[in-house]
Amino acid sequence: GESVGLHLPTLSVQEGDNSIINCAYSNSASDYFIWYKQESGKGPQFIIDIRSNMDKRQGQRVTVLLNKTVKHLSLQIAATQPGDSAVYFCAEILNFGNEKLTFGTGTRLTIIP
Amino acid sequence: DVKVTQSSRYLVKRTGEKVFLECVQDMDHENMFWYRQDPGLGLRLIYFSYDVKMKEKGDIPEGYSVSREKKERFSLILESASTNQTSMYLCASSHPGPPNQPQHFGDGTRLSIL
Repeated sequence: GESVGLHLPTLSVQEGDNSIINCAYSNSASDYFIWYKQESGKGPQFIIDIRSNMDKRQGQRVTVLLNKTVKHLSLQIAATQPGDSAVYFCAEILNFGNEKLTFGTGTRLTIIP
Repeated sequence: DVKVTQSSRYLVKRTGEKVFLECVQDMDHENMFWYRQDPGLGLRLIYFSYDVKMKEKGDIPEGYSVSREKKERFSLILESASTNQTSMYLCASSHPGPPNQPQHFGDGTRLSIL
């Protein structure tokens, strides 16, 4: 399944399938990006980050892709599990060394058993 | 693991009251942040602090103030609570850059102003 985070705020994926959550950012000067996962009743949990000098970074079952040409960020989750159901946020920092994060509004991912 | 602890999960206050939200982190982070989270609006930065006794306004500081007397503790103060301050409040902390480091969040305080 695939979604554009800013235009389709919900995404449903069959358990075991891969999911892709997309995020379009607005500022070409942004140089640090983070994906957070927020489960119901909890605060955002750091998943993975990527700096602007990279176009791909992998973690455990997750991959972040950065396309600076079209200002697009995506989070790929492999072999989704029920525990992956949550709201996923992308966030960006405008300038290197600046500490202020700007968050997207999020995409709700639902894993169908 | 980083631990950011917010003193209350749920809080109900009345209009006009002075409200204190407390946040403590145990990772010796220099940076601390307060956000509010509202449906459809995402997370918005209220105030942040780079060091003890230092504070900077975020995107929506009106109606709020903060206090950072110790490195591990960052307090958000609603001087005179109003109903439009009903929200989920999230505290976060991080090491300073460069390079940038991720912010780590507490589980939030859901504040209702009646």
